[in-house]
Amino acid sequence: GQQVMQIPQYQHVQEGEDFTTYCNSSTTLSNIQWYKQRPGGHPVFLIQLVKSGEVKKQKRLTFQFGEAKKNSSLHITATQTTDVGTYFCAMEYGNKLVFGAGTILRVKS
Amino acid sequence: SAVISQKPSRDICQRGTSLTIQCQVDSQVTMMFWYRQQPGQSLTLIATANQGSEATYESGFVIDKFPISRPNLTFSTLTVSNMSPEDSSIYLCSVDRGTGANVLTFGAGSRLTVL
Repeated sequence: GQQVMQIPQYQHVQEGEDFTTYCNSSTTLSNIQWYKQRPGGHPVFLIQLVKSGEVKKQKRLTFQFGEAKKNSSLHITATQTTDVGTYFCAMEYGNKLVFGAGTILRVKS
Repeated sequence: SAVISQKPSRDICQRGTSLTIQCQVDSQVTMMFWYRQQPGQSLTLIATANQGSEATYESGFVIDKFPISRPNLTFSTLTVSNMSPEDSSIYLCSVDRGTGANVLTFGAGSRLTVL
């Protein structure tokens, strides 16, 4: 089946530093989604990228979809303690979503 | 997007017993998805529940272990049968947000601990 690789597994940054997580697929994707799960919470949808080379921003978060539609990244500028959690990418496979392993972000204040 | 009520939120269960998790949605949805999240892990799809038909199970999950009901378009249950400590996980139901883009809204999850 289709798989999406997500790295890094874990990142611990100082508040104010930037953070990036990457997802890579072995196959061309129709779209990719990003979710955030706060500690003790459930995944919450952040964004969906559909077009080749697409870049979307949500305040300090920048999402990119690769030109070949096989990779994507989420970049957070100047992290804050409210950014802590696990960030998952997810790809469609038929009618279902397959999630990446997730990147755990911890922010030291 | 839909609002999902899931219960129980957490439970401690004895080995060999079964527990049923309920998922109620505030609007009618075609498909409901049940995911498992083992401690510190990602989300793994257990099955897709369609109203009026049997659930479709993913590889590694079987109906005898995880029977699912879908009596109507707003409700579903997942039973974890004959539990063992390996079944200790968070179980999440989710539905399509209805935007046409297969984007999911999740319930708050049910955290099961099996002793």
